[in-house]
Amino acid sequence: QLVLTQSPSASASLGASVKLTCTLSSGHSSYAIAWHQQQPEKGPRYLMKLNSDGSHSKGDGIPDRFSGSSSGAERYLTISSLQSEDEADYYCQTWGTGIGVFGGGTKLTVL
Amino acid sequence: QVQLVQSGAEVKKPGASVKVSCKASGYTFTSYGISWVRQAPGQGLEWMGWISAYNGNTNYAQKLQGRVTMTTDTSTSTAYMELRSLRSDDTAVYYCARGNWNKDWGQGTLVTVSS
Repeated sequence: QLVLTQSPSASASLGASVKLTCTLSSGHSSYAIAWHQQQPEKGPRYLMKLNSDGSHSKGDGIPDRFSGSSSGAERYLTISSLQSEDEADYYCQTWGTGIGVFGGGTKLTVL
Repeated sequence: QVQLVQSGAEVKKPGASVKVSCKASGYTFTSYGISWVRQAPGQGLEWMGWISAYNGNTNYAQKLQGRVTMTTDTSTSTAYMELRSLRSDDTAVYYCARGNWNKDWGQGTLVTVSS
Protein backbone atom coordinates (compact mmCIF):
# COMPACT_ATOMS: atom_id res chain seq x y z
CA GLN A 1 0.00 0.00 0.00
CA LEU A 2 1.28 3.42 -1.00
CA VAL A 3 1.72 5.54 2.13
CA LEU A 4 3.63 8.75 2.86
CA THR A 5 4.87 9.34 6.41
CA GLN A 6 5.72 12.77 7.82
CA SER A 7 6.62 13.92 11.31
CA PRO A 8 3.71 15.91 12.76
CA SER A 9 5.82 18.87 13.83
CA ALA A 10 9.16 20.61 13.43
CA SER A 11 10.67 23.84 14.65
CA ALA A 12 13.66 26.01 13.86
CA SER A 13 14.85 29.51 14.57
CA LEU A 14 14.42 32.57 12.40
CA GLY A 15 17.30 32.72 9.89
CA ALA A 16 18.27 29.08 10.41
CA SER A 17 17.67 26.09 8.13
CA VAL A 18 15.31 23.17 8.53
CA LYS A 19 14.99 19.85 6.72
CA LEU A 20 11.59 18.18 6.55
CA THR A 21 11.26 14.49 5.70
CA CYS A 22 8.66 12.50 3.79
CA THR A 23 9.10 8.71 3.74
CA LEU A 24 7.64 6.48 1.04
CA SER A 25 6.29 3.08 2.05
CA SER A 26 8.16 -0.11 1.29
CA GLY A 27 8.34 -0.97 -2.40
CA HIS A 28 7.75 2.60 -3.53
CA SER A 29 11.19 4.13 -3.10
CA SER A 30 11.42 5.13 -6.79
CA TYR A 31 8.33 7.32 -6.69
CA ALA A 32 8.41 11.05 -7.22
CA ILE A 33 6.61 13.30 -4.79
CA ALA A 34 5.44 16.90 -4.66
CA TRP A 35 5.78 19.31 -1.73
CA HIS A 36 2.99 21.75 -0.91
CA GLN A 37 2.90 24.58 1.62
CA GLN A 38 -0.20 25.72 3.46
CA GLN A 39 0.13 28.91 5.47
CA PRO A 40 -2.39 29.54 8.26
CA GLU A 41 -5.91 30.20 7.00
CA LYS A 42 -4.81 29.89 3.36
CA GLY A 43 -5.09 27.30 0.63
CA PRO A 44 -2.22 25.02 -0.35
CA ARG A 45 0.57 26.19 -2.66
CA TYR A 46 2.69 23.93 -4.83
CA LEU A 47 6.39 24.17 -4.01
CA MET A 48 8.07 21.54 -6.18
CA LYS A 49 8.04 18.12 -7.70
CA LEU A 50 10.92 15.99 -6.41
CA ASN A 51 12.21 12.90 -8.22
CA SER A 52 13.96 9.90 -6.72
CA ASP A 53 17.33 11.08 -8.07
CA GLY A 54 16.96 14.39 -6.25
CA SER A 55 16.18 16.47 -9.32
CA HIS A 56 13.31 18.83 -8.75
CA SER A 57 11.21 21.41 -10.56
CA LYS A 58 9.89 24.29 -8.50
CA GLY A 59 6.69 26.21 -8.99
CA ASP A 60 6.66 29.75 -10.31
CA GLY A 61 7.90 32.28 -7.80
CA ILE A 62 9.19 29.79 -5.25
CA PRO A 63 12.30 31.30 -3.65
CA ASP A 64 15.72 29.69 -3.94
CA ARG A 65 15.60 29.15 -0.17
CA PHE A 66 13.42 26.11 -0.86
CA SER A 67 15.20 23.04 -2.17
CA GLY A 68 14.59 19.32 -2.39
CA SER A 69 16.70 16.19 -2.17
CA SER A 70 16.22 12.42 -2.04
CA SER A 71 17.86 9.39 -0.45
CA GLY A 72 16.33 5.96 -0.91
CA ALA A 73 12.72 6.15 0.21
CA GLU A 74 13.21 9.52 1.88
CA ARG A 75 12.30 12.79 0.25
CA TYR A 76 13.44 16.02 1.83
CA LEU A 77 12.44 19.65 1.77
CA THR A 78 15.11 22.04 3.01
CA ILE A 79 14.23 25.62 3.80
CA SER A 80 17.18 27.91 4.45
CA SER A 81 17.27 31.42 5.94
CA LEU A 82 13.93 30.79 7.62
CA GLN A 83 11.48 33.66 7.62
CA SER A 84 8.36 34.15 9.68
CA GLU A 85 6.14 33.51 6.67
CA ASP A 86 7.61 30.01 6.35
CA GLU A 87 5.62 29.02 9.43
CA ALA A 88 3.09 26.72 7.79
CA ASP A 89 1.97 23.16 7.25
CA TYR A 90 3.96 21.23 4.69
CA TYR A 91 2.46 18.28 2.85
CA CYS A 92 4.08 15.76 0.60
CA GLN A 93 2.02 14.08 -2.08
CA THR A 94 2.59 11.29 -4.55
CA TRP A 95 0.82 9.65 -7.44
CA GLY A 96 0.77 5.94 -8.19
CA THR A 97 -1.33 3.80 -10.57
CA GLY A 98 -4.07 6.38 -10.84
CA ILE A 99 -4.30 7.11 -7.12
CA GLY A 100 -3.11 10.19 -5.30
CA VAL A 101 -1.82 10.09 -1.75
CA PHE A 102 -0.98 12.84 0.75
CA GLY A 103 1.20 12.57 3.79
CA GLY A 104 -0.23 13.69 7.11
CA GLY A 105 1.63 16.99 7.00
CA THR A 106 4.33 18.61 9.13
CA LYS A 107 3.55 21.76 11.09
CA LEU A 108 6.63 23.99 10.99
CA THR A 109 7.07 26.54 13.77
CA VAL A 110 9.58 29.35 13.27
CA LEU A 111 10.95 30.37 16.66
CA GLN B 1 -1.31 33.19 -15.42
CA VAL B 2 -3.06 29.99 -14.46
CA GLN B 3 -6.22 30.51 -12.42
CA LEU B 4 -8.71 28.07 -10.97
CA VAL B 5 -11.82 29.82 -9.67
CA GLN B 6 -14.25 27.77 -7.62
CA SER B 7 -17.92 28.27 -6.82
CA GLY B 8 -19.06 29.69 -3.51
CA ALA B 9 -19.73 28.19 -0.12
CA GLU B 10 -22.59 25.75 0.33
CA VAL B 11 -24.68 24.61 3.29
CA LYS B 12 -26.43 21.27 2.86
CA LYS B 13 -28.52 18.93 4.94
CA PRO B 14 -27.46 15.34 5.55
CA GLY B 15 -28.46 13.14 2.64
CA ALA B 16 -28.38 15.95 0.10
CA SER B 17 -25.95 16.43 -2.78
CA VAL B 18 -23.52 19.22 -3.60
CA LYS B 19 -21.87 20.16 -6.88
CA VAL B 20 -18.75 22.34 -6.83
CA SER B 21 -17.41 23.98 -9.97
CA CYS B 22 -13.85 24.94 -10.88
CA LYS B 23 -13.29 27.28 -13.85
CA ALA B 24 -9.82 27.16 -15.34
CA SER B 25 -7.99 29.82 -17.31
CA GLY B 26 -4.47 30.66 -18.41
CA TYR B 27 -3.61 27.28 -19.94
CA THR B 28 -4.94 24.74 -22.42
CA PHE B 29 -7.64 23.03 -20.36
CA THR B 30 -7.47 19.68 -22.12
CA SER B 31 -3.71 19.36 -21.59
CA TYR B 32 -4.03 18.65 -17.86
CA GLY B 33 -6.29 16.69 -15.59
CA ILE B 34 -8.03 18.17 -12.57
CA SER B 35 -7.55 16.75 -9.09
CA TRP B 36 -10.00 17.26 -6.24
CA VAL B 37 -8.74 17.44 -2.66
CA ARG B 38 -10.63 18.15 0.54
CA GLN B 39 -9.66 19.28 4.01
CA ALA B 40 -11.89 18.75 7.02
CA PRO B 41 -11.64 21.34 9.82
CA GLY B 42 -8.29 21.08 11.56
CA GLN B 43 -7.26 18.08 9.47
CA GLY B 44 -4.83 17.34 6.64
CA LEU B 45 -5.34 17.12 2.91
CA GLU B 46 -7.31 14.20 1.49
CA TRP B 47 -7.14 13.21 -2.17
CA MET B 48 -10.60 12.63 -3.57
CA GLY B 49 -9.98 11.84 -7.21
CA TRP B 50 -8.82 13.00 -10.61
CA ILE B 51 -10.36 13.53 -14.02
CA SER B 52 -8.67 13.80 -17.37
CA ALA B 53 -9.82 16.96 -19.09
CA TYR B 54 -8.74 15.38 -22.37
CA ASN B 55 -11.00 12.32 -22.41
CA GLY B 56 -13.01 12.38 -19.16
CA ASN B 57 -11.34 9.33 -17.61
CA THR B 58 -11.65 9.34 -13.84
CA ASN B 59 -10.00 7.81 -10.79
CA TYR B 60 -11.71 8.10 -7.42
CA ALA B 61 -10.57 7.45 -3.87
CA GLN B 62 -11.90 4.08 -2.78
CA LYS B 63 -13.72 5.51 0.24
CA LEU B 64 -15.76 7.84 -1.99
CA GLN B 65 -16.58 5.35 -4.76
CA GLY B 66 -20.30 5.40 -5.47
CA ARG B 67 -20.88 8.83 -3.92
CA VAL B 68 -18.65 11.08 -6.03
CA THR B 69 -18.76 12.01 -9.71
CA MET B 70 -16.26 14.26 -11.45
CA THR B 71 -16.98 15.78 -14.85
CA THR B 72 -15.63 18.46 -17.16
CA ASP B 73 -17.09 20.85 -19.71
CA THR B 74 -14.36 21.60 -22.22
CA SER B 75 -16.48 24.31 -23.90
CA THR B 76 -16.21 26.42 -20.74
CA SER B 77 -12.96 24.99 -19.30
CA THR B 78 -14.84 24.04 -16.16
CA ALA B 79 -14.54 20.98 -13.94
CA TYR B 80 -17.25 19.78 -11.57
CA MET B 81 -17.27 17.58 -8.50
CA GLU B 82 -20.58 16.21 -7.22
CA LEU B 83 -20.80 14.46 -3.86
CA ARG B 84 -24.04 12.70 -2.93
CA SER B 85 -25.57 11.32 0.27
CA LEU B 86 -23.78 13.96 2.29
CA ARG B 87 -22.88 13.25 5.92
CA SER B 88 -21.63 15.53 8.66
CA ASP B 89 -18.08 14.26 8.18
CA ASP B 90 -18.16 15.56 4.59
CA THR B 91 -17.96 19.06 6.06
CA ALA B 92 -14.71 20.39 4.60
CA VAL B 93 -13.05 22.85 2.28
CA TYR B 94 -12.97 21.34 -1.21
CA TYR B 95 -10.16 22.28 -3.58
CA CYS B 96 -9.58 21.68 -7.26
CA ALA B 97 -6.01 21.61 -8.53
CA ARG B 98 -4.30 21.33 -11.90
CA GLY B 99 -2.79 18.02 -12.90
CA ASN B 100 -1.65 14.97 -10.99
CA TRP B 101 0.84 17.06 -9.05
CA ASN B 102 -1.53 19.86 -8.11
CA LYS B 103 0.66 22.60 -9.58
CA ASP B 104 -2.05 25.24 -9.20
CA TRP B 105 -4.87 25.30 -6.69
CA GLY B 106 -8.32 26.83 -6.60
CA GLN B 107 -9.24 29.08 -3.69
CA GLY B 108 -11.34 26.39 -2.01
CA THR B 109 -15.07 25.95 -1.44
CA LEU B 110 -16.42 25.41 2.07
CA VAL B 111 -19.16 22.80 2.17
CA THR B 112 -21.00 22.56 5.48
CA VAL B 113 -23.27 19.60 6.13
CA SER B 114 -25.62 20.23 9.01
CA SER B 115 -29.20 19.51 9.95
